Amino acid sequence: AQSVAQPEDQVNVAEGNPLTVKCTYSVSGNPYLFWYVQYPNRGLQFLLKYITGDNLVKGSYGFEAEFNKSQTSFHLKKPSALVSDSALYFCAVRDFSSYKLIFGSGTRLLVRP
Amino acid sequence: DVKVTQSSRYLVKRTGEKVFLECVQDMDHENMFWYRQDPGLGLRLIYFSYDVKMKEKGDIPEGYSVSREKKERFSLILESASTNQTSMYLCASGTSYNEQFFGPGTRLTVL
Repeated sequence: AQSVAQPEDQVNVAEGNPLTVKCTYSVSGNPYLFWYVQYPNRGLQFLLKYITGDNLVKGSYGFEAEFNKSQTSFHLKKPSALVSDSALYFCAVRDFSSYKLIFGSGTRLLVRP
Repeated sequence: DVKVTQSSRYLVKRTGEKVFLECVQDMDHENMFWYRQDPGLGLRLIYFSYDVKMKEKGDIPEGYSVSREKKERFSLILESASTNQTSMYLCASGTSYNEQFFGPGTRLTVL
């Protein structure tokens, strides 16, 4: 069965420091991977995706993610965190037997001033 | 820009009422989805539709039904609302192989 794991419920980082939000996946075949962000009382906003090509994917708001096939990971990164990056982040993988996305449980990022 | 709209941001209903949540997308996407989001449980798929008048059960369809009479519109129906259906409801649309686009969500409270 296909699945996504976000091992950290919360990540704390100081403003200006680099941040990483972890995601690992389990799929059969080549994965389609996605990151979304959710601000309080809002829907999910798409950040970036990996379909094929370069392992380092750049997305919105200065975020990037690194696809690592051998470690089955797709960690979200940003070189310098902002307080406004504080939000809930979801990793997702496409289920190839349907049109569904399988979401991780989410990681809350808290950037302190 | 893709736009997905939901009929209400906040909704308060009583137990036993029939509740309609409406979702409209403007990008001619084939696929539409309804999720509920609860603290600690992440997003759970209720129903999805890959074409007009077509629907598939997601992971938690019990107590819900859906309707898709037009391509741009996907409705979620709570036949008889219960308190355990108090939640944030998120609608999304997308194509088969790419990202989904989400609406702003409806926070439903059932008293």
